[in-house]
Amino acid sequence: DSGVTQTPKHLITATGQRVTLRCSPRSGDLSVYWYQQSLDQGLQFLIQYYNGEERAKGNILERFSAQQFPDLHSELNLSSLELGDSALYFCASSVAPDSGNTIYFGEGSWLTVV
Amino acid sequence: EDQVTQSPEALRLQEGESSSLNCSYTVSGLRGLFWYRQDPGKGPEFLFTLYSAGEEKEKERLKATLTKKESFLHITAPKPEDSATYLCAVQASYGGSQGNLIFGKGTKLSVKP
Repeated sequence: DSGVTQTPKHLITATGQRVTLRCSPRSGDLSVYWYQQSLDQGLQFLIQYYNGEERAKGNILERFSAQQFPDLHSELNLSSLELGDSALYFCASSVAPDSGNTIYFGEGSWLTVV
Repeated sequence: EDQVTQSPEALRLQEGESSSLNCSYTVSGLRGLFWYRQDPGKGPEFLFTLYSAGEEKEKERLKATLTKKESFLHITAPKPEDSATYLCAVQASYGGSQGNLIFGKGTKLSVKP
């Protein structure tokens, strides 16, 4: 158990819908990362937050957004869903960014868009 | 552009047959190189972080080494329970991907009894 908690574990939704994925980081970790893993793309970095502030953006679509709340949990919002958005979405956390600290991953949220 | 290439894509070993996985990288200043193990449908499980060329770390049957351009994950006398996908990632110290992990596509290891 990495200590990073993600909900829901599985989600099936229709095209055009909106979903929210939730992440609680490890106790004491201030930095949260979101990654997408699909079969043909591997793990792709989406976005990073540190202590409530957006720190870096990767290949995140405009239809996707995220935030980190004062209690440090984070949410990833996916809207106008398309079939190609079906993937495993991972949240990860670390004590601080840019420091070489270990980044721990949660078990992921399986999103299936039908 | 920061990137990571892992080889081979897949590796089949007999139980007890030692081998190595390769991770070559180009990065804007290496903050750290990470190895993770991932089982199907699960999150990546942290194994090692290496910070500088010449560094080595060991855990049970696994040993990770680092040079200026690549890292190796050596598996000694593997067991079936070592079957998984092994992911390599780098963290850059500056540049566009600073602070984030850039992953390779992984090596899928199968160990047959």
